[in-house]
Amino acid sequence: GEDVEQSLFLSVREGDSSVINCTYTDSSSTYLYWYKQEPGAGLQLLTYIFSNMDMKQDQRLTVLLNKKDKHLSLRIADTQTGDSAIYFCAERAGNTPLVFGKGTRLSVIA
Amino acid sequence: EADIYQTPRYLVIGTGKKITLECSQTMGHDKMYWYQQDPGMELHLIHYSYGVNSTEKGDLSSESTVSRIRTEHFPLTLESARPSHTSQYLCASSATPGLAGGANTGELFFGEGSRLTVL
Repeated sequence: GEDVEQSLFLSVREGDSSVINCTYTDSSSTYLYWYKQEPGAGLQLLTYIFSNMDMKQDQRLTVLLNKKDKHLSLRIADTQTGDSAIYFCAERAGNTPLVFGKGTRLSVIA
Repeated sequence: EADIYQTPRYLVIGTGKKITLECSQTMGHDKMYWYQQDPGMELHLIHYSYGVNSTEKGDLSSESTVSRIRTEHFPLTLESARPSHTSQYLCASSATPGLAGGANTGELFFGEGSRLTVL
């Protein structure tokens, strides 16, 4: 079945860039998503990328997609303490429910 | 802003009680989902529905049941709560691409969650 893998932890200093990586197995993925979850809350959609794109930029966020290697990354420029959260990668293929990774916990050190 | 609501946000209940977690969305989405998540941990899909009178079990076996009698409403019920049911339950909805128009990609919109503690 489909699988989405992420590293579990990332720690960065305030003002630095954060890069969160994700790999997936389903080559028929159409959309890939990044969600953010703050403590005690639900998930918020941050951004998404269509599978025929290589890159998408939205303010401080840059998504890179390497479809050949099935690798997705999220870069957060000028990381702030408010960016501390869990970030989930997810893929959609066909009409099945989204497949989520286990989440990467980002800690920002002031 | 997503219009999906979960009640109660927090519930502490004794073993053996019946509970229903409510989830409603006002976006007209055809698909709805329930996830179970221990704090800071991965999401587990326990139930989903692709339309009225349609429900499916997810990847994680759960003793809970769901119903979808109306498009906007997707309640989850535990007939007899146990301490092992202590967790956060997240409800989500999505629209089938093409049905909602605009830039809909089939992304999920999540509620704020219901945190259940069974003593």
